[in-house]
Amino acid sequence: ETGVTQSPTHLIKTRGQQVTLRCSSQSGHNTVSWYQQALGQGPQFIFQYYREEENGRGNFPPRFSGLQFPNYSSELNVNALELDDSALYLCASSTYRGGNTGELFFGEGSRLTVL
Amino acid sequence: AQRVTQPEKLLSVFKGAPVELKCNYSYSGSPELFWYVQYSRQRLQLLLRHISRESIKGFTADLNKGETSFHLKKPFAQEEDSAMYYCALSGLQAGTALIFGKGTTLSVSS
Repeated sequence: ETGVTQSPTHLIKTRGQQVTLRCSSQSGHNTVSWYQQALGQGPQFIFQYYREEENGRGNFPPRFSGLQFPNYSSELNVNALELDDSALYLCASSTYRGGNTGELFFGEGSRLTVL
Repeated sequence: AQRVTQPEKLLSVFKGAPVELKCNYSYSGSPELFWYVQYSRQRLQLLLRHISRESIKGFTADLNKGETSFHLKKPFAQEEDSAMYYCALSGLQAGTALIFGKGTTLSVSS
């Protein structure tokens, strides 16, 4: 069974640039969610995708967008990067069978630094 | 507002001592509560969830709706319990996210 994998593991961007982070879900999972974890904070929900559609979003501006592909992998895109976007971005996959989402399985994260 | 509060940033105990990691929540409804753990150089993983009523690695947590708390307890701490612990809640609706607390670092020394 392959776990959740994320790429890249580290990257550095400058203010105003755009970034794409990628996530491969754990085998058999149909839901993917993204979290932002700033230093010293708990993970904060960005959005969740199920069946290639966004079905939940946290308090993040529209410049944070995502995609889920037919193989359940996902991308997180952030436009017009700001210094405060510097954080660890976590992807988590799970199985939704109706009712609430099951256990989340997290990747190791992509650490983004914005200069 | 939905919120999870973990009042202690760091909890240091000696091996064999009892451990209680505090978690309080605010949620207008019936939430599901979780404890997630991150050991050194490992990814975040589920430790336990209140609906399971299980004891995992000697840890238990009871949901107290009156006090809106979900404290994590273990009677005898082990050095391998040293990790970052996050309390989290989820609403019982599709697409609802986990709301995490800021986490408590547990340090168990011999």
